[in-house]
Amino acid sequence: EDQVTQSPEALRLQEGESSSLNCSYTVSGLRGLFWYRQDPGKGPEFLFTLYSAGEEKEKERLKATLTKKESFLHITAPKPEDSATYLCAVRSADYGGSQGNLIFGKGTKLSVKP
Amino acid sequence: DSGVTQTPKHLITATGQRVTLRCSPRSGDLSVYWYQQSLDQGLQFLIQYYNGEERAKGNILERFSAQQFPDLHSELNLSSLELGDSALYFCASSPTGSLAGEQYFGPGTRLTVT
Repeated sequence: EDQVTQSPEALRLQEGESSSLNCSYTVSGLRGLFWYRQDPGKGPEFLFTLYSAGEEKEKERLKATLTKKESFLHITAPKPEDSATYLCAVRSADYGGSQGNLIFGKGTKLSVKP
Repeated sequence: DSGVTQTPKHLITATGQRVTLRCSPRSGDLSVYWYQQSLDQGLQFLIQYYNGEERAKGNILERFSAQQFPDLHSELNLSSLELGDSALYFCASSPTGSLAGEQYFGPGTRLTVT
């Protein structure tokens, strides 16, 4: 069964304290790994798409990397405005017999204190 | 702002009732996806429509149904509501139906069943 596991469930950092969030996955044919940011009561906001092992994407203080079994979201010198829940999702070729469907992890809730 | 709109923002109703949630995708996007997000289950894919036709089904209950209209807006109908149906319901859109890239999420509809 296709599965996405994110760790830790919650992470508290001091402003400027760099860290990484983990997303491990088991899928039948990866067709893309996606990172989203979600603020409380709002819809997920797209951050990155990664398609193949070794790929990296960067945006401001965030950097996403991908291996054959997991992805990391590195946060460098975070600021309080980076506080949010970060969701990882994968698209499997076999899920529901159709393409285009995302399987989400439960997310990592990040809190950055000033 | 993702460009995806959802109405209403909040909905409070009683058990046994029926409600309709509405979604307008980003301009030019042909695919619409519906998701349910609850505290214990995370974000769960329900159903996908592409250019008016159902493309894929996920964990959607038989009491739930959806459709996509010629102008590409979509409606999610929830009937015989139960307390457990209380959740955030998100709509997302993407340009194509298969091998698509990222999905863009709306702000969600918070459904409370009392």
